Amino acid sequence: AQSVTQPDIHITVSEGASLELRCNYSYGATPYLFWYVQSPGQGLQLLLKYFSGDTLVQGIKGFEAEFKRSQSSFNLRKPSVHWSDAAEYFCAVGLPSGTYKYIFGTGTRLKVLA
Amino acid sequence: ETGVTQSPTHLIKTRGQQVTLRCSSQSGHNTVSWYQQALGQGPQFIFQYYREEENGRGNFPPRFSGLQFPNYSSELNVNALELDDSALYLCASSLTGTGETEAFFGQGTRLTVV
Repeated sequence: AQSVTQPDIHITVSEGASLELRCNYSYGATPYLFWYVQSPGQGLQLLLKYFSGDTLVQGIKGFEAEFKRSQSSFNLRKPSVHWSDAAEYFCAVGLPSGTYKYIFGTGTRLKVLA
Repeated sequence: ETGVTQSPTHLIKTRGQQVTLRCSSQSGHNTVSWYQQALGQGPQFIFQYYREEENGRGNFPPRFSGLQFPNYSSELNVNALELDDSALYLCASSLTGTGETEAFFGQGTRLTVV
């Protein structure tokens, strides 16, 4: 069955430090890959997406992610975290065959220390 | 903002009651998907509507039902509400038939069942 794993439930970093959020997926082919951010009580904002092509994708707010097929991973990175980045981050895969739906990970809550 | 609007933003219902949630999809999109996000969890796929018909369903009981209208807006209906139905309900619109595509999420409806 398809699944998405975000192994880190909580991550705390200091403002200005670098960040990497991990995401691994299980799917028989290459899915579409997404990272979303959610502030408390809010909907989902798309940070970046991967469909095909260059495996390093750039997103909004200075985020980037790298697709590694051999590791079935799509980790999110940011070189310097800002206090406003504190939120919950969700990795999702979009299944391009059949019903186009998303499978989400359980999320990583990011706390930023001033 | 994504152009996907949901109403109401918050709702409190009593166990056993019925509820209807509404979603207006982004202009030009023909597909609406609904997700349930319980507290501390990632969103779970409920079902999808395309051309006014259900086009895939997740692991949710039949008391979760929906409609899509000719203008592609959609409703989610939940009958016989249970306490565990308390969650954030997210609507996502997308365009089926274009290959690589992404879904755009609304801000959600927070349902509390007491």
